[in-house]
Amino acid sequence: KNQVEQSPQSLIILEGKNCTLQCNYTVSPFSNLRWYKQDTGRGPVSLTIMTFSENTKSNGRYTATLDADTKQSSLHITASQLSDSASYICVVSDRGSTLGRLYFGRGTQLTVWP
Amino acid sequence: EADIYQTPRYLVIGTGKKITLECSQTMGHDKMYWYQQDPGMELHLIHYSYGVNSTEKGDLSSESTVSRIRTEHFPLTLESARPSHTSQYLCASSELDSRSYEQYFGPGTRLTVT
Repeated sequence: KNQVEQSPQSLIILEGKNCTLQCNYTVSPFSNLRWYKQDTGRGPVSLTIMTFSENTKSNGRYTATLDADTKQSSLHITASQLSDSASYICVVSDRGSTLGRLYFGRGTQLTVWP
Repeated sequence: EADIYQTPRYLVIGTGKKITLECSQTMGHDKMYWYQQDPGMELHLIHYSYGVNSTEKGDLSSESTVSRIRTEHFPLTLESARPSHTSQYLCASSELDSRSYEQYFGPGTRLTVT
């Protein structure tokens, strides 16, 4: 069964600290993996996309990694800011269907305290 | 920010009422989607459309219906709302191949049925 599991479920850190969010997936055949940021009461916004051949990709203070062999990804946030408080969702796409089926994790709820 | 809009943002309505959630996008995307999201849970696909006059049911069974008469418009209708329909509804759109292209999400409609 194609699944996406994220950990931790929630995380509280102090402003300025770093953190790492984890994503494990069983989706096959794999197409790509995206990390989305969802602010409270808003729709998700894409942060990064990782394809099979990519190991690391950065977007400002966000750095995503992908290990396609172990089917694991992480999102590292550097020097956290209050505005980083949001839910971070791991989304994996398969390439076995014409729709380009997306599998969503439940998200990690990150809270940054001043 | 993506040019995809949803109205209303919040709706509180009594059981048995008919409601229509509006979604429109100005990006000219052919593919559009409706997702249902409960707090702390993953997004579930309930409807999608490849283009005008195309509508398909998603993975999560839903009593709602959709229509796609115009490319930019993808409304969702509940003929008789029930408390079990209380949830957040997110609309999204993408270029034809969502495996390669990002899905852009609207801000969502928070529906409460009393």
